[in-house]
Amino acid sequence: KQEVTQIPAALSVPEGENLVLNCSFTDSAIYNLQWFRQDPGKGLTSLLLIQSSQREQTSGRLNASLDKSSGRSTLYIAASQPGDSATYLCAVSRGNLIFGKGTKLSVKP
Amino acid sequence: SQTIHQWPATLVQPVGSPLSLECTVEGTSNPNLYWYRQAAGRGLQLLFYSVGIGQISSEVPQNLSASRPQDRQFILSSKKLLLSDSGFYLCAWNVGTGISYEQYFGPGTRLTVT
Repeated sequence: KQEVTQIPAALSVPEGENLVLNCSFTDSAIYNLQWFRQDPGKGLTSLLLIQSSQREQTSGRLNASLDKSSGRSTLYIAASQPGDSATYLCAVSRGNLIFGKGTKLSVKP
Repeated sequence: SQTIHQWPATLVQPVGSPLSLECTVEGTSNPNLYWYRQAAGRGLQLLFYSVGIGQISSEVPQNLSASRPQDRQFILSSKKLLLSDSGFYLCAWNVGTGISYEQYFGPGTRLTVT
């Protein structure tokens, strides 16, 4: 059974810092991995989708990497801003999505 | 462009009352549709998914049911709500099969059962 773990559960950083969020999964036989952002009381916003054949994807200040063999993905956020404060979720797919519990990020001005 | 709607946004219902949550998608045809529940400390749990009209797959046994009466409409229902049904309900969609899809989520419905 696929399990997805995100560490840390919460993170607080000062504005401007570069940071890394971690996601690990137990079964490397995935089709893709998707990173989402969720603001309090809101739905999920898709940030990046990495296919199993890819190593990384970039969008603006965000860069996500995928190491399928080790069952790990990282989301790198450059030059963090208070507006980046949210919960970040990763999910892996082999059909349906299996989600981690998320990392709650707080960026202090 | 595609959009996904959910209503109501919030709902407070007594135990034992019925439930109907609606999700509609615009700007796409034959989407795969999903219902998730997000409960505090438990992450997102897939409840139902549908690949077409009248086709519903249930992921977990529960007090809820789903229906897809139209191509872009997905409904989550219950005949009698339990306290444990409280949570944040999210509808999602994608198009296609296989490996290369990206999933998109609606704004969610906050359900409180009292």
